[in-house]
Amino acid sequence: NAGVTQTPKFRILKIGQSMTLQCAQDMNHNYMYWYRQDPGMGLKLIYYSVGAGITDKGEVPNGYNVSRSTTEDFPLRLELAAPSQTSVYFCASSTPRTGQETQYFGPGTRLLVL
Amino acid sequence: QQQVKQSPQSLIVQKGGISIINCAYENTAFDYFPWYQQFPGKGPALLIAIRPDVSEKKEGRFTISFNKSAKQFSLHIMDSQPGDSATYFCAAGGSQGNLIFGKGTKLSVKP
Repeated sequence: NAGVTQTPKFRILKIGQSMTLQCAQDMNHNYMYWYRQDPGMGLKLIYYSVGAGITDKGEVPNGYNVSRSTTEDFPLRLELAAPSQTSVYFCASSTPRTGQETQYFGPGTRLLVL
Repeated sequence: QQQVKQSPQSLIVQKGGISIINCAYENTAFDYFPWYQQFPGKGPALLIAIRPDVSEKKEGRFTISFNKSAKQFSLHIMDSQPGDSATYFCAAGGSQGNLIFGKGTKLSVKP
């Protein structure tokens, strides 16, 4: 199993550009998450999904959109990139039930908006 | 009510010493308390987790102590090694799946 994979690893965007961060998991997990990590601020939940076709907002959803057409994939879309979106983005997956709440994280995408 | 407060922000420990990181939560509905370890350039990975029905859980050199009445839990790293140098995050959550993370503690273990 590859676990959780993310592409790209690093990207530079100009203000106002758009891009999609890709995330895929091969563990048949029904829950998937997108976090952003800023220095000293921990992990903030952007969006999450409890299954294909179902998504919901997390703590910091503004400026982002997601879709979940399959169990495996959970792309994050940035529209009109802003400098405030400079961050490291992590995708995670889990299958929460008793004893199975562990979230498995991908390697992250570092995004710089200039 | 959804916050998880973590301290200290950074910690320097000598090799062989004990590292202690503390977290406090507010929501009494939380029933799952994991600690994640993150090395530079990598994603966080689960280190150890505890449920509120026990007061302590030990896995090798890593121990979680849990105080339900005080709504606090802590990570103890015994015989700290330079390879333990990383950022540690506590988190709290439940069966619904979402986790609330602390802001992290950067641990440096000096040889």
